[in-house]
Amino acid sequence: SQELEQSPQSLIVQEGKNLTINCTSSKTLYGLYWYKQKYGEGLIFLMMLQKGGEEKSHEKITAKLDEKKQQSSLHITASQPSHAGIYLCGADGIRGSTLGRLYFGRGTQLTVWP
Amino acid sequence: DGGITQSPKYLFRKEGQNVTLSCEQNLNHDAMYWYRQDPGQGLRLIYYSQIVNDFQKGDIAEGYSVSREKKESFPLTVTSAQKNPTAFYLCASSLGQGPQPQHFGDGTRLSIL
Repeated sequence: SQELEQSPQSLIVQEGKNLTINCTSSKTLYGLYWYKQKYGEGLIFLMMLQKGGEEKSHEKITAKLDEKKQQSSLHITASQPSHAGIYLCGADGIRGSTLGRLYFGRGTQLTVWP
Repeated sequence: DGGITQSPKYLFRKEGQNVTLSCEQNLNHDAMYWYRQDPGQGLRLIYYSQIVNDFQKGDIAEGYSVSREKKESFPLTVTSAQKNPTAFYLCASSLGQGPQPQHFGDGTRLSIL
């Protein structure tokens, strides 16, 4: 079974539009990580969230972790073609696992058209 | 610059052949990881190592082997026992004193001839 559920699976938006990607777990998360991946390349680390209610921003991307630490959202404001790619959430602390061993969602494919 | 280097970028395997994927890091990270990525499946953990000379199986270790003789290196061997090896393989490392983000290499794409 998938430990982390990401939605939507894919997203197509027009340049300039805002969008949100969600990542949900049935278990409390110890740490939540957001990554971006271009097709055929490695993952680029975006942000890490640990505390309930925590919010971090980098340029036009904002990530939040809910108070219960079971759901995170990634919000992009005024999307640009450079934002296109696959966004993945990863988490540790699921199933009482060893810290540092991450579980990943299946990713959200983002397309931004001009 | 510090980072993680995976090689080769593309690799082809013949039936019955073992192949080894290289992963080297100069970030002075204690922990290293190997993931397999298939379309629509996300990343699945093959093996991980939190310290030199020690490693643990991940979720899909069958048909793979690893070694961790040096802190900087964590090679992955895809053995002939792995019947469906075609995938994108990603290596990552982290400080290991969690929680810490993992940093990834650029990946190796393995295909069957």
